[in-house]
Amino acid sequence: DAGVTQSPTHLIKTRGQQVTLRCSPKSGHDTVSWYQQALGQGPQFIFQYYEEEERQRGNFPDRFSGHQFPNYSSELNVNALLLGDSALYLCASSWGTATYNSPLHFGNGTRLTVT
Amino acid sequence: DQQVKQNSPSLSVQEGRISILNCDYTNSMFDYFLWYKKYPAEGPTFLISISSIKDKNEDGRFTVFLNKSAKHLSLHIVPSQPGDSAVYFCAALGSARQLTFGSGTQLTVLP
Repeated sequence: DAGVTQSPTHLIKTRGQQVTLRCSPKSGHDTVSWYQQALGQGPQFIFQYYEEEERQRGNFPDRFSGHQFPNYSSELNVNALLLGDSALYLCASSWGTATYNSPLHFGNGTRLTVT
Repeated sequence: DQQVKQNSPSLSVQEGRISILNCDYTNSMFDYFLWYKKYPAEGPTFLISISSIKDKNEDGRFTVFLNKSAKHLSLHIVPSQPGDSAVYFCAALGSARQLTFGSGTQLTVLP
């Protein structure tokens, strides 16, 4: 039973560029959430996708956008990269939008470095 | 404005002894709390949770205590094992249905 898979594992981009990160949820899960974890900090919620729509959004600018596909996989896009976007980006999946009965399962993350 | 705070960035404990990790929160609308464990180069893994209607939840060596009046929760690990060495994140869930994480505590269990 495959867990949450993310690609790529590492990425180096230049300031101003655009990046796309990918995530496949755990089998049986239909909801994908994205988190940003800066060095020495806890994960910070970016947004959540369910039924191919953005359902919740954290305090992130519009440069951060996403998409969910019919097979429940998801992409995170970041435009006009800033140095401060350097972080570990974590994808998490669950069954349904609430985590009361379905704790989030996290992937191993994509380490993004912006130079 | 940190709504979930873990004030101890690190904790060292001898193998076999008790580890106590603490977490404070400020948002009284949080009604569900979780602990996640994270090893290097891996994503966080769910450990244990507690609803705000309870004050204790136990799962094997792990027990979470919730003090709503103090807006404080703690994770007890007894007995601690070297494999427990990891970063532990406290997280809270409210009506917004999005997890708010603390900044984590690095636990080191010494053999």
